Amino acid sequence: NAGVTQTPKFRILKIGQSMTLQCTQDMNHNYMYWYRQDPGMGLKLIYYSVGAGITDKGEVPNGYNVSRSTTEDFPLRLELAAPSQTSVYFCASSYGAHRTYEQYFGPGTRLTVT
Amino acid sequence: AQKITQTQPGMFVQEKEAVTLDCTYDTSDPSYGLFWYKQPSSGEMIFLIYQGSYDQQNATEGRYSLNFQKARKSANLVISASQLGDSAMYFCAMRAVGNQFYFGTGTSLTVIP
Repeated sequence: NAGVTQTPKFRILKIGQSMTLQCTQDMNHNYMYWYRQDPGMGLKLIYYSVGAGITDKGEVPNGYNVSRSTTEDFPLRLELAAPSQTSVYFCASSYGAHRTYEQYFGPGTRLTVT
Repeated sequence: AQKITQTQPGMFVQEKEAVTLDCTYDTSDPSYGLFWYKQPSSGEMIFLIYQGSYDQQNATEGRYSLNFQKARKSANLVISASQLGDSAMYFCAMRAVGNQFYFGTGTSLTVIP
């Protein structure tokens, strides 16, 4: 049982490039989330999904896209990377609606845009 | 408007002593949840404790307890009998309506031997 896995662990992008951050969970959780954590700050919710085929915006969705074609996978797409997107990105998953607070986090992806 | 406020950027506590980490929140929704996460220097996020807005009693999980004062909109974390392994960043967070989650800026706790 690997939990939540994220790839890559580190990435450097040039301004204007695009990339996809991968997230997979093997706990059969319906709910999945993407957060970003800027230095010295708390996490901010980018997007979340309550099940395959359903996604919704969080607090800071601009510049990102997501899809959820399977229960296991929840990739985050960055289009036209900007320096403001330099951050650590965390993917998380949780049980159904009654336990959304207990989120299981991946190890994070540290992204630098230069 | 900031939804979660943690006013203590850093705290120190002697090993085996208790420590309280402050958290205040802002919401007008009647139904919400409050919780705390620990982030060690290795970077992972570890769930500690949860309190629902309708829960009558304060939540407890082992050495962690949540001092929930609804009228004051505070949800302080109390760690009893601190251990060296408790040194980490601690984040207070809120689940608001529509599955929106808001995290505070964190408190860095250092346990002194």
